[in-house]
Amino acid sequence: GENVEQHPSTLSVQEGDSAVIKCTYSDSASNYFPWYKQELGKGPQLIIDIRSNVGEKKDQRIAVTLNKTAKHFSLHITETQPEDSAVYFCAASRGGSSNTGKLIFGQGTTLQVKP
Amino acid sequence: EAGVTQSPTHLIKTRGQQATLRCSPISGHTSVYWYQQALGLGLQFLLWYDEGEERNRGNFPPRFSGRQFPNYSSELNVNALELEDSALYLCASRPRAANTGELFFGEGSRLTVL
Repeated sequence: GENVEQHPSTLSVQEGDSAVIKCTYSDSASNYFPWYKQELGKGPQLIIDIRSNVGEKKDQRIAVTLNKTAKHFSLHITETQPEDSAVYFCAASRGGSSNTGKLIFGQGTTLQVKP
Repeated sequence: EAGVTQSPTHLIKTRGQQATLRCSPISGHTSVYWYQQALGLGLQFLLWYDEGEERNRGNFPPRFSGRQFPNYSSELNVNALELEDSALYLCASRPRAANTGELFFGEGSRLTVL
């Protein structure tokens, strides 16, 4: 079945350090991989996404890498700041003719950035 | 532009009762998704509606149902509530004809079943 595993479940870093969150997906037909950030009391918000025809994408301090062969993708946050503290979710989905319309989410990573 | 709005923000019910949650998508979005976020379990896909029809549903029992209205707003109904139905229910919307791409989430409705 469709499944996304996310690690670690919690991550604590010092301000200015880097943070890495890793995900593995099971559905080989997945071709869209977004990352969402959820702050306390709010709904998840997209921070970056990558499609299967790209190996890496960067947006300022955040980057995502994708290894389709290994079915792994990762989120990298550099120069972390206290406002990066939140729960981060990876997700995977199919698009195109095999679209099921749903995102399969990982279990989430609680990131704490200590000042 | 208004985001996805959900009501009520909090709802307390007892076991066996029924709960109705409501969602208004972003203007121009025709697809509405419902997710359940129970503690420690991440987001579990519940239902997808597009153009008034149910397009897909997740691994939830039939007592979870919903509908989408002509104005694209949506309703999630949970019948015969059980304690484990306690969770944050998130609604999200997506623009017309976007198979993938960003889902815009509301802030959720927190359902507590006593």
